[in-house]
Amino acid sequence: AQTVTQSQPEMSVQEAETVTLSCTYDTSESDYYLFWYKQPPSRQMILVIRQEAYKQQNATENRFSVNFQKAAKSFSLKISDSQLGDAAMYFCAYRSARSTNAGGTSYGKLTFGQGTILTVHP
Amino acid sequence: NAGVTQTPKFRVLKTGQSMTLLCAQDMNHEYMYWYRQDPGMGLRLIHYSVGEGTTAKGEVPDGYNVSRLKKQNFLLGLESAAPSQTSVYFCASNPDRGLGRNQPQHFGDGTRLSIL
Repeated sequence: AQTVTQSQPEMSVQEAETVTLSCTYDTSESDYYLFWYKQPPSRQMILVIRQEAYKQQNATENRFSVNFQKAAKSFSLKISDSQLGDAAMYFCAYRSARSTNAGGTSYGKLTFGQGTILTVHP
Repeated sequence: NAGVTQTPKFRVLKTGQSMTLLCAQDMNHEYMYWYRQDPGMGLRLIHYSVGEGTTAKGEVPDGYNVSRLKKQNFLLGLESAAPSQTSVYFCASNPDRGLGRNQPQHFGDGTRLSIL
């Protein structure tokens, strides 16, 4: 079974500064997807960024980027120019890309890390 | 489109009471999921469904039952609520493996359930 670990329960950053949230995962699979979700106090689960494991290039979405190290099984999220609205709980998540032909379908199930609470100071 | 809608948004129960959480999606997705969120543990999969009339156990299924009589609805039931089931419950949906291979799950806004 896959596991996802976020070792930073809480992080803080000054507005306009850069912060990096860590995520490591354990899997024996070679084809999978990784996601970062943001959960503000409203409780919504908002997709921030995703990475396909077969792509070597790190994903980027505006101020959000990832450092995907497949061999090290590491998937960190970098938030540049932090804004007050970035304050939230952030979850790292893993999804197998296994299909029936590969010996069993994962059915898109997500495995989440424990979450990191990000505080942004003005 | 409303996406994924969960009802109710908040509920307080007494130990031993029963209730059903409703999840409805209007995106014609095949796959649906129920997760629970607890402090320090992230979201954990309770049950899931890969199509109308199917259900399967996830990581923490004990104490819960589910049904998917219609493709758009996925119900989560607590037959005899226990304080350990106090949590925030999320429903999510996804297209099937062909269309949804690299698509993110769509989440509802959650249900906060407190059991006294």
